[in-house]
Amino acid sequence: DTGVSQDPRHKITKRGQNVTFRCDPISEHNRLYWYRQTLGQGPEFLTYFQNEAQLEKSRLLSDRFSAERPKGSFSTLEIQRTEQGDSAMYLCASSSFPWGGGGKDTQYFGPGTRLTVL
Amino acid sequence: AQSVTQPDIHITVSEGASLELRCNYSYGATPYLFWYVQSPGQGLQLLLKYFSGDTLVQGIKGFEAEFKRSQSSFNLRKPSVHWSDAAEYFCAVGPNAGGTSYGKLTFGQGTILTVHP
Repeated sequence: DTGVSQDPRHKITKRGQNVTFRCDPISEHNRLYWYRQTLGQGPEFLTYFQNEAQLEKSRLLSDRFSAERPKGSFSTLEIQRTEQGDSAMYLCASSSFPWGGGGKDTQYFGPGTRLTVL
Repeated sequence: AQSVTQPDIHITVSEGASLELRCNYSYGATPYLFWYVQSPGQGLQLLLKYFSGDTLVQGIKGFEAEFKRSQSSFNLRKPSVHWSDAAEYFCAVGPNAGGTSYGKLTFGQGTILTVHP
């Protein structure tokens, strides 16, 4: 299977602990996106990378959140000092962004990481 | 700022009945439009997308959607629903201009579809 993969699928942690999630995009996809989805809501954009460059961050992404994509392949999302409000599904998506194609970008999503903060 | 409204939080249909899920968007121009489906505890699967051209778009699993500029709508339809279609459906819009904003999707709240046998 060459789809987007995320690890772990589930994470339970105690308030105040740090957690890190990993996303492996579809091979050779140049863009990688992170979204957060809370219960009963649609996904909300957090941040995205074009290769290894982080191009945009949502104001939802407080200074406790950091994301990296060091070699333009996989990405990690770290949450420091977790709070109960961080409990959500964290979704990763990737795309092959067509430069010069008018931004006709199609994102493919991974299965998500479900975070529960106790 | 772009926004998406899915007016129906929950829809129930009988297996074999037709289906229409509504989606309205707010955007300064014609956006890029998507429908995704999500099964419980899973990620999102792309059903179909609209970038330009023919306003009736065919997708996977027998779904189609029609873009109506005058109504700022992109409703999803299926002529005959199967029990396996029970899931949550999300409409999303993406900007068709704006440099680094390309690709940043805004999702609706979702519509949960229940299928009765």
